[in-house]
Amino acid sequence: NAGVTQTPKFQVLKTGQSMTLQCAQDMNHEYMSWYRQDPGMGLRLIHYSVGAGITDQGEVPNGYNVSRSTTEDFPLRLLSAAPSQTSVYFCASSSGGQPQHFGDGTRLSIL
Amino acid sequence: KQEVTQIPAALSVPEGENLVLNCSFTDSAIYNLQWFRQDPGKGLTSLLLIQSSQREQTSGRLNASLDKSSGRSTLYIAASQPGDSATYLCAVLLQNSNSGYALNFGKGTSLLVTP
Repeated sequence: NAGVTQTPKFQVLKTGQSMTLQCAQDMNHEYMSWYRQDPGMGLRLIHYSVGAGITDQGEVPNGYNVSRSTTEDFPLRLLSAAPSQTSVYFCASSSGGQPQHFGDGTRLSIL
Repeated sequence: KQEVTQIPAALSVPEGENLVLNCSFTDSAIYNLQWFRQDPGKGLTSLLLIQSSQREQTSGRLNASLDKSSGRSTLYIAASQPGDSATYLCAVLLQNSNSGYALNFGKGTSLLVTP
C-alpha cells in the first residue's frame, strides 16, 4: 500500500529556477491538495483539485501552478523559485470528507 | 476565516501520565475534525476523525472528544509513553468550505514524554 508518494524528498534550488514537485496516490481519491508548512505558520493550502481536469487556488497560490490530468497525479510547479518559497511541501488526498492521507513531504530550500 | 488554536504549544510530561491536548475553532459549522500526529521530518499520520454529529472517537490509548457548540475538541492520551513524543495537529473541515475538502490546521502541540 503506497498511499501518497511525493518526490523528491529534498531539493535545493537557486533563485529563479523552476521545478516540479511530484505527487501520486494509488487510492483512487478524487480530492487532492498541496500544503506548505512553515515554522510558526502551520499548514497552509496552496492549490487543490476535486477531480481530474479541475483545479483551484487555495490560501497561498502565488508563484505556484498545478494541473490534474489523471486521478492519480497532482504535480506542483514552481515557475521561478524565490527564497520565500523555502518550505516543506505536503500533498494530501481523500475521498470526500473521509480521513485525509498525507505524503512524507518535500523539503525545499531556495538559495 | 476559520481559526484553529491549539493549547499548549509545547508540553513535557513523565512517562505514564495521562494528558490532554486542547483544540478550539471559531466557526462551529464544521463537517468533521481530525487529529494528526507528525514525527520530526515526517508527514502527517491521521489518528482520529470525528464527524460533526459525533461526540467522541477512541483508538487504543487515544480518545478525542468534540463539542461543536463551544468550538472545542480535546485529545486524551492515556498512560503516555516515550514513543508518543511528536507534534499533534488538530484540523477542521468546514461544512461550507469553498476549497473542496481542504483542512484548516492549528499550529500544533509539541509533546515530549520523558522516560
